[in-house]
Amino acid sequence: GENVEQHPSTLSVQEGDSAVIKCTYSDSASNYFPWYKQELGKRPQLIIDIRSNVGEKKDQRIAVTLNKTAKHFSLHITETQPEDSAVYFCAASIENYGQNFVFGPGTRLSVLP
Amino acid sequence: NAGVTQTPKFQVLKTGQSMTLQCAQDMNHNSMYWYRQDPGMGLRLIYYSASEGTTDKGEVPNGYNVSRLNKREFSLRLESAAPSQTSVYFCASSVRDSSYEQYFGPGTRLTVT
Repeated sequence: GENVEQHPSTLSVQEGDSAVIKCTYSDSASNYFPWYKQELGKRPQLIIDIRSNVGEKKDQRIAVTLNKTAKHFSLHITETQPEDSAVYFCAASIENYGQNFVFGPGTRLSVLP
Repeated sequence: NAGVTQTPKFQVLKTGQSMTLQCAQDMNHNSMYWYRQDPGMGLRLIYYSASEGTTDKGEVPNGYNVSRLNKREFSLRLESAAPSQTSVYFCASSVRDSSYEQYFGPGTRLTVT
């Protein structure tokens, strides 16, 4: 089955700097890769996603890149702000498995003022 | 719209007790999911229901049962709680056909002593 690894597990950056979180997946059939943000004590919420027919997607300060050959994808946050502090989860899903997600273990991002 | 709602928010059980976690969504979504979240392990799928009338096992189904009562409601039952089931439980729903985004409920924090 699918296995998703995520690095680093914790990340601290200064406000205004960039943050990069990387994920790898094992099943080459995976075709949809979402990123969820979870603030302390809150529910996970989708912040950006990418499908396997696209190499990069951007939404304001957030971007995701996908390398299908290497089976890895990354989240890039530019000009980080204190409100970006949260746990970020990547996930991979397989269309012929009903589009169910396999999540990575999460990255705790701290943006220091 | 309330989105996805869960009850209760918190619960403490003794080993061997049973309980049902309730989940409801008012977005007319076809698919619903139950996850558990443990520190350092991300979100793991317990059971899912691709459509009303169907349920299937996810990654960690042992010790749990589910019921898709109707299109809106999807419950998770612990028949004989064990300390290993101490976790935060999230329900989620998605349209599945046109969008893969999963919308999460606020979570239930369960402690088994």
